[in-house]
Amino acid sequence: DAKTTQPTSMDCAEGRAANLPCNHSTISGNEYVYWYRQIHSQGPQYIIHGLKNNETNEMASLIITEDRKSSTLILPHATLRDTAVYYCIVKGHNFNKFYFGSGTKLNVKP
Amino acid sequence: DAGVTQSPTHLIKTRGQHVTLRCSPISGHKSVSWYQQVLGQGPQFIFQYYEKEERGRGNFPDRFSARQFPNYSSELNVNALLLGDSALYLCASSLAPGQGRYEQYFGPGTRLTVT
Repeated sequence: DAKTTQPTSMDCAEGRAANLPCNHSTISGNEYVYWYRQIHSQGPQYIIHGLKNNETNEMASLIITEDRKSSTLILPHATLRDTAVYYCIVKGHNFNKFYFGSGTKLNVKP
Repeated sequence: DAGVTQSPTHLIKTRGQHVTLRCSPISGHKSVSWYQQVLGQGPQFIFQYYEKEERGRGNFPDRFSARQFPNYSSELNVNALLLGDSALYLCASSLAPGQGRYEQYFGPGTRLTVT
């Protein structure tokens, strides 16, 4: 399974875009990139996933580089409720096993 | 539609005891996975079940076991509890196992404290 590298923490001003990077240089051609977030002591919440192309939904946008070795999750207008730990995950070959790593703690400040 | 539900919400057990945690997946989802999350760390994969069969197992001792029922609900059992088993236990459901497309949806978790 490809491993991911994320910054430990990031700050973002409320109302501004939050750009969370993730490095997954060993990703395989058929592995997807997933993003989840976890607000304190709650279950992780699915945000978005992608394979090659950029993806957008009502929560966020996912930008994957052409070589697929890194990606960026974009929260276009961060709010205080977006304060959470964000996990970048590369989908393993073994069914739905997810390797979570340590994630990025995003602090949205007023 | 109801999301993934887990019971109980909180549990306190003594070392050496046994515990059973329960999970009901989202309606229509046939796969259930279990994760352990120790404070300050990301969730660690324990098991995945699909159609009542174990399809994946993480690096956990044999004290941990699970099963899936015909209605796709699942139980996680932990025997001979240790202090280190204190954690948030998360259940996730998905449509089916596969090579990526089927995102998992997590329940709120069961907070287990072993004293």
